[in-house]
Amino acid sequence: EVQLLESGGALVQPGGSLRLSCAASRFPFSNYAMSWVRQAPGKGLEWVSAISGSGGSTFYADSVKGRFTISRDNSKNTVYMQMNSLRAEDTAVYYCAKFVGTSGLNWFDPWGQGTLVTVSS
Amino acid sequence: EIVLTQSPATLSLSPGERVTLSCRASQSVSNYLAWYQQKRGQAPRLLIYGASNRATGIPARFSGSGSGTDFTLTISSLEPEDFAVYYCQQRSDWPPTFGGGTKVEIK
Repeated sequence: EVQLLESGGALVQPGGSLRLSCAASRFPFSNYAMSWVRQAPGKGLEWVSAISGSGGSTFYADSVKGRFTISRDNSKNTVYMQMNSLRAEDTAVYYCAKFVGTSGLNWFDPWGQGTLVTVSS
Repeated sequence: EIVLTQSPATLSLSPGERVTLSCRASQSVSNYLAWYQQKRGQAPRLLIYGASNRATGIPARFSGSGSGTDFTLTISSLEPEDFAVYYCQQRSDWPPTFGGGTKVEIK
């Protein structure tokens, strides 16, 4: 069974930085795009970023562009999210998910258990 | 970006009832639509992809239909474990977007 395990969530002050990690196992990691999706407390789901299997292509939501950077290390089966200039509105549970499918027809499956990022002074 | 509107926001139902959830897209997404179930305190779980294809391990009581701008998720007979929030999602265009969710609660 595919496993995704996020880590790195914490309480951070506005303007601070944080790096999230997602360790994957039990599938050919470098063959698949990966993505981060977040969920603010009591709210719905918001896609944040995605990265191709090779790491050569990256995509960002406008809300995080220029502040967040997604990357991956295929030798470690891990995807990262470097989060800079954090704002209160970035407070959310961040989920890592395998981004499956072909152009246009893409979905997220499976999802990790999530890691909580709280931005507050 | 493509906006997905789910209705209703909340449904109050009893076990055994038939459920129909709606997801409407602001422009055509062809059949590039997925559905997820999220139980309280858990990560979302894929139910349906490509508008009508059940994901691995999803019970046959879950079915999806629709194309273009109007989609439906149907649960033929509610089981106690089906009370949750359901989201639709598209990637016909960037960025991927989710609907606001429909909460199915126990009546």
